[in-house]
This record gives sequence, structure tokens and C-alpha cells, in this order.
Amino acid sequence: DIVMTQTPLSSPVTLGQPASISCRSSHSLVFSDGNTYLSWLQQRPGQSPRLLIYEISNRFSGVPDRFSGSGAGTDFTLKISRVEAEDVGVYYCLQLTQFPYTFGQGTKLEIK
Amino acid sequence: EVQLVESGGGLVQPGGSLRLSCAASGFNFRTSGMSWVRQSPGRGLEWVSEIVAGVGGPYYADSVKGRFTISRDNSKNTVFLQMNSLRVEDTALYYCVKERLGSFENWGQGTLVTVSS
Repeated sequence: DIVMTQTPLSSPVTLGQPASISCRSSHSLVFSDGNTYLSWLQQRPGQSPRLLIYEISNRFSGVPDRFSGSGAGTDFTLKISRVEAEDVGVYYCLQLTQFPYTFGQGTKLEIK
Repeated sequence: EVQLVESGGGLVQPGGSLRLSCAASGFNFRTSGMSWVRQSPGRGLEWVSEIVAGVGGPYYADSVKGRFTISRDNSKNTVFLQMNSLRVEDTALYYCVKERLGSFENWGQGTLVTVSS
């Protein structure tokens, strides 16, 4: 199985400041079709997870442009350019390149 | 608007069975791949099973293979998860998920399964 490792597991951030979350996979996430099926999800308190980013860097419909994704191969990053109060929650990376699909442990974003 | 409404969760004893349902609306169900994903405090988010729209699969996590069966009824826009031989470690909130864009595009609200004696 591909292991997804996120750092940090907790990120206290000041409102208006940037935040960054890293995700490392135990194997390359490049699929045979050349695409990399690495996504980022956000789970606000009491809510279901929500898709933010797919295929490394594509923002899903309705996601603010302060969210961006980058990376390649086995190393990926989610960045929030200016954290807002509504961004509080847990962020997960997810790979759908290989079965079984696997998630990172989650990074809790909280406001200082 | 995409809607995924799970049902069928509940309390069951170890070794028992449950059948989860997910009623889908707001999109072309018959052309969509669907997955079940579960979440528990101890195991985080865990993909359970996927059923594709076309040829291939279904696919299962090793932890449920041989005990769980995913199926779909395109005439009713519904996906099911038959869970047999339930174990304490299957206790979780089970989400129905619509796949697109090579990802998990939409999530339901979840249905809680508790396995306990």
C-alpha cells in the first residue's frame, strides 16, 4: 500500500498569514496515463470532507484562489496564501493512483 | 445540485450484518464511479470499496475483502454496501462518495455503524 505522510500534524496560524502543509507518498503517484492522482481535502468541524484540489494543483469548483497545490512524484504541498477563520479544520492528502486509495493522517489547522 | 444520502447504519453485534444504501441525485449516476469511505477516530479516513460505471472492479480494501460487497442499481440511482461478519474495528462513519476528476468529488453526510456487544 502507498503510505501518505503529512507534516505538520498541527498548524497554529495567525489570521491573514500563510499556511503550508506537506504530504509525502511512499511511492511515486504518477499513473500509467501520465497523470498524478493526488488530491487535497478539507474537513471543517462537524462536516464531511470536501474536495479542494485534484491532480496536484487543480482547484475544484468554488474553492477560493488562496488555496494552491504543487509538487510532483512523491512530494506535494498545499498552501493557503492568507488564512481566514473559515479555513479552520483538518486537511488530508489523498492518492487515487493505486489501489487501495490511501489518505494522509490529517493536519489540523487552527487559529492562534 | 449533487446529493448523496446514506442510510442503513446502526448498532450491530460482532459477526452481524448491515446493508448501507446511498441514494444519489443531481448527476448522471449511471456514468459515475462511486466509493464508500469510512472514518473512525482510531483509523482516520479509510477507503473501503469502489464500483465503477463501466467494465472492471469492484475493488475492496484488504480489511473488508470477502466480508463486504458493493453493488449499484442504476434504475434507482442507488449504491449499496452489504457488510457481513462485522467486527468491532468496522465501527465508523461511512461516507458515500461520487468520483470524478480522478478524485472524490462529492461526499454524503455519512451513516454511523457501531459494532459492539
